[in-house]
Amino acid sequence: GAGVSQSPSNKVTEKGKDVELRCDPISGHTALYWYRQSLGQGLEFLIYFQGNSAPDKSGLPSDRFSAERTGGSVSTLTIQRTQQEDSAVYLCASSWSGQGQETQYFGPGTRLLVL
Amino acid sequence: AQRVTQPEKLLSVFKGAPVELKCNYSYSGSPELFWYVQYSRQRLQLLLRHISRESIKGFTADLNKGETSFHLKKPFAQEEDSAMYYCALGDNFGNEKLTFGTGTRLTIIP
Repeated sequence: GAGVSQSPSNKVTEKGKDVELRCDPISGHTALYWYRQSLGQGLEFLIYFQGNSAPDKSGLPSDRFSAERTGGSVSTLTIQRTQQEDSAVYLCASSWSGQGQETQYFGPGTRLLVL
Repeated sequence: AQRVTQPEKLLSVFKGAPVELKCNYSYSGSPELFWYVQYSRQRLQLLLRHISRESIKGFTADLNKGETSFHLKKPFAQEEDSAMYYCALGDNFGNEKLTFGTGTRLTIIP
């Protein structure tokens, strides 16, 4: 079946603009994660959704970042008033239930460049 | 706080030689450790996890709690092993968020 998909694959924006990044998880997966990969850095956890539970937002770097997951499926990561340091690859992953230590399946990422 | 350290950003090894990618972690609880790999122009994918004690593509990794390490090893490197390798640490509080190291780019020299 189809894997995790993300759109757009690349996004160039101007400093101060808002951006929305989309993630479509694997069908049936109840857990969804957002990570960020900045140049020279490892993957940094941002936010985690599991079923109908309140999301774990502990990794969001500032209140300019927010995410939602509609209908337990598609998720949107929004960055308001983008800054140059927001430039990174944003990765989405999903897993069956988020319990135990399941495999996380990653999307191809969205490469964001803030000018 | 959880932390994963991969001391080598780049590692070059001749084909047929042994490979060892180092990973050290810092975690107060019982760690759950993984290796993820990203081949050129492909997405990040799980290579192996310590609880499975499995060998995938000839790679193994042993958790050493005394040394807080989870090094990835392969006795004979192959050209197709060239990739970016990430060590990751999961907590054991019932969710799956992972703490990743900065990665090691492995290049196999023909």
